[in-house]
Amino acid sequence: DTGVSQDPRHKITKRGQNVTFRCDPISEHNRLYWYRQTLGQGPEFLTYFQNEAQLEKSRLLSDRFSAERPKGSFSTLEIQRTEQGDSAMYLCASRGAWGEYEQYFGPGTRLTVT
Amino acid sequence: ELKVEQNPLFLSMQEGKNYTIYCNYSTTSDRLYWYRQDPGKSLESLFVLLSNGAVKQEGRLMASLDTKARLSTLHITAAVHDLSATYFCAVDEYGNKLVFGAGTILRVKS
Repeated sequence: DTGVSQDPRHKITKRGQNVTFRCDPISEHNRLYWYRQTLGQGPEFLTYFQNEAQLEKSRLLSDRFSAERPKGSFSTLEIQRTEQGDSAMYLCASRGAWGEYEQYFGPGTRLTVT
Repeated sequence: ELKVEQNPLFLSMQEGKNYTIYCNYSTTSDRLYWYRQDPGKSLESLFVLLSNGAVKQEGRLMASLDTKARLSTLHITAAVHDLSATYFCAVDEYGNKLVFGAGTILRVKS
């Protein structure tokens, strides 16, 4: 069990560019979450998958954001036409089946939009 | 909408002293989480509290949950410098997501 992994760890992009982040959850964890954390704040929920189904999206997730989990394993989060306000740490977490309550967080992807 | 409030937001402690961080939340939930975050790092799970009256301890940290008061506490005993970090509480909303407090920045001074 290698834990939740995220790639890349850091991304610097220019405003208007598209970026994509990847999250690999703990093996056999069927629930996967994306959160965003800005400096000095707690993480904020973005979206949640159970297997390949995206079950909930936050109002924070504008139409420039899209997330997928095509085979119920890894997930991608894409931001189109990035804005400076998108600069944040993007955290992925996974959780096991029903009855398992702990969410395990990955190391995060730090996005800087210049 | 579920709200989670932590206080204090900043805590400067002397080594060897005791203190408590409070976490209040606005709706009924019986699952509460405490995480630690070091600067520039991700979240490290400290405690998962799953029922009213739950108490868990690890080293100098002890967490408790009172679901009727919608209150959790994180008690620090005899603080040491290694405990300096930001501590977050989070409440599980319907099993779908965690709603986090703003965090408590803890600085332990020698």
